[in-house]
Amino acid sequence: AAGVIQSPRHLIKEKRETATLKCYPIPRHDTVYWYQQGPGQDPQFLISFYEKMQSDKGSIPDRFSAQQFSDYHSELNMSSLELGDSALYFCASSSGPGRWANEKLFFGSGTQLSVL
Amino acid sequence: AQTVTQSQPEMSVQEAETVTLSCTYDTSESNYYLFWYKQPPSRQMILVIRQEAYKQQNATENRFSVNFQKAAKSFSLKISDSQLGDTAMYFCAFRRDDKIIFGKGTRLHILP
Repeated sequence: AAGVIQSPRHLIKEKRETATLKCYPIPRHDTVYWYQQGPGQDPQFLISFYEKMQSDKGSIPDRFSAQQFSDYHSELNMSSLELGDSALYFCASSSGPGRWANEKLFFGSGTQLSVL
Repeated sequence: AQTVTQSQPEMSVQEAETVTLSCTYDTSESNYYLFWYKQPPSRQMILVIRQEAYKQQNATENRFSVNFQKAAKSFSLKISDSQLGDTAMYFCAFRRDDKIIFGKGTRLHILP
């Protein structure tokens, strides 16, 4: 069965550079979520999209932006990278938003971002 | 605001033993979902088991079962006949609408 695909798996950037993370949800899933997990930390919710519109927002820095495209894939854009942005970034997808959602969230394997 | 608390940062048990991981949560909502996710060293986030708050029956998935006490806002995970492959970080999570909130996790070591 198809899973959530994230690319790249690993990314190394310098401080103040820009990074773009991509997420391809499971086919027919219309809702995408982004999470950030620092070393030894629990995943922190960043932002979610349903039908190409932002549906909820968490602790996402202003330096980050994200969008969901017509094919439902999503991209997380990170600018002016800081050392503290080094983390594992998860994307997850589900079918339907909020209270109508399929309760299962399927996670991708994550993108490990290292800022040097 | 919802919170999820896992009071056991780390646990170790012998292979084949039974282990219970604790989780409590705080919410004023009446309808929500609860999950246990497993994160092995590969860091892949794997769904272990889920519980719908309006269902009184405890969820079971093979060797994994939960003890859901809605009034007490408690959602513990029991792993029976533990195996070496169960070694991982386990996260309890709460979902209401589009937000999933994770606990800090319990690192579980299964010893041979």
